[in-house]
Amino acid sequence: QQQVKQSPQSLIVQKGGISIINCAYENTAFDYFPWYQQFPGKGPALLIAIRPDVSEKKEGRFTISFNKSAKQFSLHIMDSQPGDSATYFCAASIPGNTGKLIFGQGTTLQVKP
Amino acid sequence: KAGVTQTPRYLIKTRGQQVTLSCSPISGHRSVSWYQQTPGQGLQFLFEYFSETQRNKGNFPGRFSGRQFSNSRSEMNVSTLELGDSALYLCASMVTVGTDTQYFGPGTRLTVL
Repeated sequence: QQQVKQSPQSLIVQKGGISIINCAYENTAFDYFPWYQQFPGKGPALLIAIRPDVSEKKEGRFTISFNKSAKQFSLHIMDSQPGDSATYFCAASIPGNTGKLIFGQGTTLQVKP
Repeated sequence: KAGVTQTPRYLIKTRGQQVTLSCSPISGHRSVSWYQQTPGQGLQFLFEYFSETQRNKGNFPGRFSGRQFSNSRSEMNVSTLELGDSALYLCASMVTVGTDTQYFGPGTRLTVL
């Protein structure tokens, strides 16, 4: 119930294409869903986050789509660039479960020029 | 503002030894969380500290411990190191008031031989 399942494990996209990464959860108590980007040798960096009362959030080329009834959320990267090549993690947290993020297994994205 | 800093960045130890890792949060952030990142298990929550008190703990053995100082800086200690403790240890800081956003440091790469 505490898990967040992420797919696909790896993704190859052509430059200018749309990258889509999906996550699913079981615990309906989750109320905060961030996405992190991690480059080799670096710590994860927050990209964008959403709460269940919103179905979509967009920041630049990055969009989170959230489907509360299906308990799924996804990250869309529009106009993917080679610089977007990194590992992406979805995560979730429970209110009051202070400081604890539950992460998906990660998706390695490669954007080909 | 300076980001989260972690020292040392790299560490090599042998089985049975103990190790202490340090984390300085973003100025004004009072919550510090620690995570272990491995290829097999992904990102896993270790514990979270706020105002020098551990508020939350993950499912790790008692060999993993931590503390937080009055200036919010935090240390984590691993005693009796095992080969399986080889990992990237990440620290994240959070304001704790009005947001769940965690900001990660670059991590400490621990190798146990």
